[in-house]
Amino acid sequence: AQSVTQPDIHITVSEGASLELRCNYSYGATPYLFWYVQSPGQGLQLLLKYFSGDTLVQGIKGFEAEFKRSQSSFNLRKPSVHWSDAAEYFCAARNQAGTALIFGKGTTLSVSS
Amino acid sequence: NAGVTQTPKFQVLKTGQSMTLQCAQDMNHNSMYWYRQDPGMGLRLIYYSASEGTTDKGEVPNGYNVSRLNKREFSLRLESAAPSQTSVYFCASSDRLNEQFFGPGTRLTVL
Repeated sequence: AQSVTQPDIHITVSEGASLELRCNYSYGATPYLFWYVQSPGQGLQLLLKYFSGDTLVQGIKGFEAEFKRSQSSFNLRKPSVHWSDAAEYFCAARNQAGTALIFGKGTTLSVSS
Repeated sequence: NAGVTQTPKFQVLKTGQSMTLQCAQDMNHNSMYWYRQDPGMGLRLIYYSASEGTTDKGEVPNGYNVSRLNKREFSLRLESAAPSQTSVYFCASSDRLNEQFFGPGTRLTVL
């Protein structure tokens, strides 16, 4: 069965430090990949997406992600984290049928001062 | 342009009561979805509707029914609520590439 794995349940980063959130997917064909962010008590907001082409994609709020087919990964990065980035982050992949997204279980990011 | 709207925002039910969660989108999307979010479980798909007039089960459909009333609206019904259905429910809609747009969620507590 298809799956999306986020190995880190919770990460704490100092404000101003760099961030990398990991995501691995199991999928045979070229995947459609997404990163969403959820602030406390809010819905999910799309940060960025990858469908094809350049494997380094830029998103909103200074985030970027790199698709690596050889590692089945789509890791999210940010060079300098701000306190307002504290939230839960979800990686997702479109299923093979193209009918729905499969979500990872999420990574909670805490930012320390 | 409101995007995806959900009502109500909060609801408390007693075991055995029924209720319907409403969802509407104004982006002219064909596909709509209902998810539940529980701590440590991420988002799990309950039902989806690929187009008006069609609905399909997702990962956790038991205890729920859905209606795709028209292209804009997709409702989720709990016929006999159980404490295990205490959760946050999200509705989403998507374009053909499955970029999904989410509503603000409904927090449901079943006592």
